[in-house]
Amino acid sequence: DTAVSQTPKYLVTQMGNDKSIKCEQNLGHDTMYWYKQDSKKFLKIMFSYNNKELIINETVPNRFSPKSPDKAHLNLHINSLELGDSAVYFCASSQDGTKETQYFGPGTRLLVL
Amino acid sequence: SQKIEQNSEALNIQEGKTATLTCNYTNYSPAYLQWYRQDPGRGPVFLLLIRENEKEKRKERLKVTFDTTLKQSLFHITASQPADSATYLCASPDNYGQNFVFGPGTRLSVLP
Repeated sequence: DTAVSQTPKYLVTQMGNDKSIKCEQNLGHDTMYWYKQDSKKFLKIMFSYNNKELIINETVPNRFSPKSPDKAHLNLHINSLELGDSAVYFCASSQDGTKETQYFGPGTRLLVL
Repeated sequence: SQKIEQNSEALNIQEGKTATLTCNYTNYSPAYLQWYRQDPGRGPVFLLLIRENEKEKRKERLKVTFDTTLKQSLFHITASQPADSATYLCASPDNYGQNFVFGPGTRLSVLP
């Protein structure tokens, strides 16, 4: 069973479009994350979220918004896509925030044309 | 601002040798450091965690050290194999304990 899954695996879209990436974890963890990994492979936190609190990295444009329908899901919605949004996006989860190890999904490769 | 640096962007070693990767942190004091492995096209996978009050941690052929004086962690792979070739990432909780901070990674290539 996949612990953290993401869909789609690949996403190719035009500038200006709105898109969503879905993430699900079946580990029963209470904290989920979204990371962006750029072409230089630097992994940067975008959001962390548990049932009580959303922590946003201040450098993330407000075109990006996390949406959590329930504890096992944290989707990433992106408005008005730009060329610079092209990257690999990883979802992750952990039990009890930064006190525990993270488990990562396989990544979604986004290409904005 | 708090930062994690990994000295080498890439490291090539011969099979059977010990690979040593370095992680340095600045402007904060993490309660622990983690090491992850990332293969091309995949998400990072957790390997080891070492706490600030631990000098050394081992798991099979892997060894991690934590020197709070030098603000540094070393990650060793002994008897390296081509299958160990991957990117290795160092990470820690940030100063507020809210999120994780990752280093840029070291791409290790073990040559047969």
